[in-house]
Amino acid sequence: DAGITQSPRHKVTETGTPVTLRCHQTENHRYMYWYRQDPGHGLRLIHYSYGVKDTDKGEVSDGYSVSRSKTEDFLLTLESATSSQTSVYFCAISEESGANVLTFGAGSRLTVL
Amino acid sequence: KQEVTQIPAALSVPEGENLVLNCSFTDSAIYNLQWFRQDPGKGLTSLLLIQSSQREQTSGRLNASLDKSSGRSTLYIAASQPGDSATYLCGGEYSTLTFGKGTMLLVSP
Repeated sequence: DAGITQSPRHKVTETGTPVTLRCHQTENHRYMYWYRQDPGHGLRLIHYSYGVKDTDKGEVSDGYSVSRSKTEDFLLTLESATSSQTSVYFCAISEESGANVLTFGAGSRLTVL
Repeated sequence: KQEVTQIPAALSVPEGENLVLNCSFTDSAIYNLQWFRQDPGKGLTSLLLIQSSQREQTSGRLNASLDKSSGRSTLYIAASQPGDSATYLCGGEYSTLTFGKGTMLLVSP
C-alpha cells in the first residue's frame, strides 16, 4: 500500500470511549475517503474530503466525524464508540474524482466491547 | 439511491478455466466503473478502471467491459490460476464510489 498508511491497524476499546483513526498519504492526492467494511454490507462510505478542511458525509456518517487540517492527513473520530461500530475501516485516496483510480490503505480493525 | 449488485456471491472453478464475474448498477449516469481485488485481511487493489466513454479495458489476463445502457459490467479472467483466488469487487462512481458486495472466487489446482 505504497503512499497510504493507516494507524492503528488494530484496536480494541470499550463502549463509550472516543476513538480516532488516522490516514496518512504521501501522494499529495486531493481526495481522501473513509469506508467501513462489514459482512453482508460490503464497503460503505462514511465521510470523504475533497481538500483541506473540505469534507462531506457519506452513506453511513452518523456517529462519526472527520477532520483534514493538512493535505496528507485525514482523521476519523468516533466520539463515543458503540458495538455497532465494530468493523474494518479503510482509507482510500484519489487524485481527482470521476476518472481516477482509488488507492486503498491496509485497513484498521476496530473492536468495541 | 445508486445500487451496485454482484452475482454470484461465490464461485469455485478448476485451474485453467475462463470465467466471468458480473456487476450490475441501477443508475446509468455513471462516471466510471472500477474493478478491485481483495485478499483476505488486506485492503483493495485496483485492477481496471473503465471510464463512461469507454466500453472495455484490458490488463494481462483480465478484460473488463462496460455497458451503460444495460447497467452492466463484466470482468473476464482468462486461464484462471490458484493465485487468482480472492474477492473481486466492482465500484460504480457517481459523485463517490458505490461498491457491490463482491464475488468470492476460489480457483482449485
